[in-house]
Amino acid sequence: AQTVTQSQPEMSVQEAETVTLSCTYDTSESDYYLFWYKQPPSRQMILVIRQEAYKQQNATENRFSVNFQKAAKSFSLKISDSQLGDAAMYFCAYRMNTGNQFYFGTGTSLTVIP
Amino acid sequence: DGGITQSPKYLFRKEGQNVTLSCEQNLNHDAMYWYRQDPGQGLRLIYYSQIVNDFQKGDIAEGYSVSREKKESFPLTVTSAQKNPTAFYLCASSIVLSGATTSNYGYTFGSGTRLTVV
Repeated sequence: AQTVTQSQPEMSVQEAETVTLSCTYDTSESDYYLFWYKQPPSRQMILVIRQEAYKQQNATENRFSVNFQKAAKSFSLKISDSQLGDAAMYFCAYRMNTGNQFYFGTGTSLTVIP
Repeated sequence: DGGITQSPKYLFRKEGQNVTLSCEQNLNHDAMYWYRQDPGQGLRLIYYSQIVNDFQKGDIAEGYSVSREKKESFPLTVTSAQKNPTAFYLCASSIVLSGATTSNYGYTFGSGTRLTVV
């Protein structure tokens, strides 16, 4: 069974600093997709970044980047130049290349300190 | 613009009542999902459907029911058998992956419904 683990229930970062959120997953599949979603106080789920497992290059979206280590089954999210608007719950998610179901971690609550 | 609409945003239920949460999408997605979110527990799958008139139980289906009479709609009924229904409910949709490479492999989420038992 696929599982996604986020071992940091809460994290904090000073404004303008860099923070890394951890995510590991368990799968026997070789082809899959990984995601980081942000859930601000509005509760709307927002896609932050995504990664295809067959791509070796780490995905980057502006201040957000990932460190994808396929052999280690690790998918961490780095937020650079943290802003107050980055404060939210962050969920890591996994999806196989067939079928439809996503598997979510339990989330990391990020606080940004002014 | 395409998207998912959940209604209502807030819902109050008296004990013993059934209530129905609405989820409509105009993205032409085949698959739709219902998740429950409680503090500290992330998202837990209630039901999902990948085709009209067919759906499967997720991890916490007891006390819930769904229907999929139209591709666009996937309503969730919280029945009186659900003993602790107070939670935030999220609906999502996606294409069904078949193993071929595609860039459209993500979820689209609705804005959620907060259900409270009074």
